[in-house]
Amino acid sequence: GAVVSQHPSWVICKSGTSVKIECRSLDFQATTMFWYRQFPKQSLMLMATSNEGSKATYEQGVEKDKFLINHASLTLSTLTVTSAHPEDSSFYICSATGRDQETQYFGPGTRLLVL
Amino acid sequence: DAKTTQPTSMDCAEGRAANLPCNHSTISGNEYVYWYRQIHSQGPQYIIHGLKNNETNEMASLIITEDRKSSTLILPHATLRDTAVYYCIVNFGNEKLTFGTGTRLTIIP
Repeated sequence: GAVVSQHPSWVICKSGTSVKIECRSLDFQATTMFWYRQFPKQSLMLMATSNEGSKATYEQGVEKDKFLINHASLTLSTLTVTSAHPEDSSFYICSATGRDQETQYFGPGTRLLVL
Repeated sequence: DAKTTQPTSMDCAEGRAANLPCNHSTISGNEYVYWYRQIHSQGPQYIIHGLKNNETNEMASLIITEDRKSSTLILPHATLRDTAVYYCIVNFGNEKLTFGTGTRLTIIP
């Protein structure tokens, strides 16, 4: 139990285009999901907290208009990188809080490369 | 979130127990101790968590000192697949996780 999936696992896009990443909790309902970003040789950095049915809460320095988060159901949150640029190339990882409301389970990550 | 301190790196021989320490001297009474690991190019994997008592599951054991200011993650019989970066995080639960630099554990054949 407590499996989180992400799609796609990797994506290459041209500069200026938008990319959508999906995060799904497969066997549980997640009222809260989190989006992280990891640059090479660095640790994970939280981008935003997503609660089902409400607006996401963004961390300081993360542009809400550039990184659109939608959490329309208890099993799906999406992150859209709008007008992507090469500096947005990174490893994007989502997590969801499990049934015990204590533990976060992470997806496998999505590697984004913007050319 | 309370901060944690972990050694930057550790080596362990295959088949031996790997003991990973973590200091969290400013932990508050209701904060849990969580351990995650990240194998290269993958999302973090949950290992174990505890509040006050020692915990054991199929992956590892977590030993928390009585004053809760430090803990040790024990992998009883390390294999090469346990090579990863291990993160010790303290958190109230259902909150954002703050990842430090973790401990890079290398299992030596």
